[in-house]
Amino acid sequence: ETGVTQSPTHLIKTRGQQVTLRCSSQSGHNTVSWYQQALGQGPQFIFQYYREEENGRGNFPPRFSGLQFPNYSSELNVNALELDDSALYLCASSFTGEETQYFGPGTRLLVL
Amino acid sequence: GQQVMQIPQYQHVQEGEDFTTYCNSSTTLSNIQWYKQRPGGHPVFLIQLVKSGEVKKQKRLTFQFGEAKKNSSLHITATQTTDVGTYFCAGRSSWGKLQFGAGTQVVVTP
Repeated sequence: ETGVTQSPTHLIKTRGQQVTLRCSSQSGHNTVSWYQQALGQGPQFIFQYYREEENGRGNFPPRFSGLQFPNYSSELNVNALELDDSALYLCASSFTGEETQYFGPGTRLLVL
Repeated sequence: GQQVMQIPQYQHVQEGEDFTTYCNSSTTLSNIQWYKQRPGGHPVFLIQLVKSGEVKKQKRLTFQFGEAKKNSSLHITATQTTDVGTYFCAGRSSWGKLQFGAGTQVVVTP
């Protein structure tokens, strides 16, 4: 059984740039959720994808967008980066009907 | 909107001692999950509680879901250095969104 993987592990960007983060879900899982975790805080729900469609969204602006592909992998795109976007971005996969979130190792984004 | 709060924010424990961390929601939850995140790591699922008043045990860890399904607790007995990390509760509301608390950071002194 393959676990959740994310790439890249670390990333440095400047304000105003755009970034794409990638996630491969655990085998057998068809739902992917993205979270933002600021330092010293709990993960904050960004959105969830199921069957290639957005299936729930947290309080994040439209410049946070995503995709899910037929193989259930997913991307998180953030446009017009701001300093406050610096955080650990976590992807979590789960199987429909099961609510346990299996987290990937995360991508640590630093915006300068 | 739904808010999930955890207390304490920090917990310093002497090895061998017991402690409890608490989780409170502003709304009734359909279920609650607990996760552990080691320093530099990612959250790892520990347990899910669904029923009102439910109690579950995992070795030295005891999890409880309140009768009103608005609060939960995690009690660790005989703390070990391997218990170091941040413990998060995450409550799921009736509309399905999972809301994480800010976590309790546990430091264990040998």
